[in-house]
Amino acid sequence: NAGVTQTPKFQVLKTGQSMTLQCAQDMNHEYMSWYRQDPGMGLRLIHYSVGAGITDQGEVPNGYNVSRSTTEDFPLRLLSAAPSQTSVYFCASSTLIGGYTFGSGTRLTVV
Amino acid sequence: KQEVTQIPAALSVPEGENLVLNCSFTDSAIYNLQWFRQDPGKGLTSLLLIQSSQREQTSGRLNASLDKSSGRSTLYIAASQPGDSATYLCAVRPGNYGQNFVFGPGTRLSVLP
Repeated sequence: NAGVTQTPKFQVLKTGQSMTLQCAQDMNHEYMSWYRQDPGMGLRLIHYSVGAGITDQGEVPNGYNVSRSTTEDFPLRLLSAAPSQTSVYFCASSTLIGGYTFGSGTRLTVV
Repeated sequence: KQEVTQIPAALSVPEGENLVLNCSFTDSAIYNLQWFRQDPGKGLTSLLLIQSSQREQTSGRLNASLDKSSGRSTLYIAASQPGDSATYLCAVRPGNYGQNFVFGPGTRLSVLP
């Protein structure tokens, strides 16, 4: 049972490039979400989904796009990377009323 | 709007001490409360999940309590060890179906040998 798997673990992008951060879970969880964590800012919610085909914005959605075509996968797309998107990104999943399981994170640097 | 605070922001104790970390939340209508541990540069590891109908949960040297009416939870760590040094985060899931967890800012714990 792998839990929540995030890839890649590290990534360096140039300003303006696009990329997709992958998140997959094998627990049949309905709920999936993306957070970013910056020093002194805590965890901030980017986007979330309560089931396949359903997504919604969190606290800091600008510059990011998501889709949920399957229960297992919830990719996060950076449309045009900016230095302000340098951060550590975490994916989490749960049942709709259960506890979170987090992935190990993706450390992204935009230069 | 649910808000979560944690006191203290940082704590340094000698090895072997018992200690208590505090978490407060503003709205008592919650599904559950979860405590996490985060080591520097690492991800979040779930320590304990307390459902709204429960008063406490225990795992090894850890005990978490929940008092919904007063909006408080405590994480008790017995016989602390240097390996317990980490940031501890508290999060609550609001009582509306499918709502996102709301996180506290964390308590940074240092256990000195």
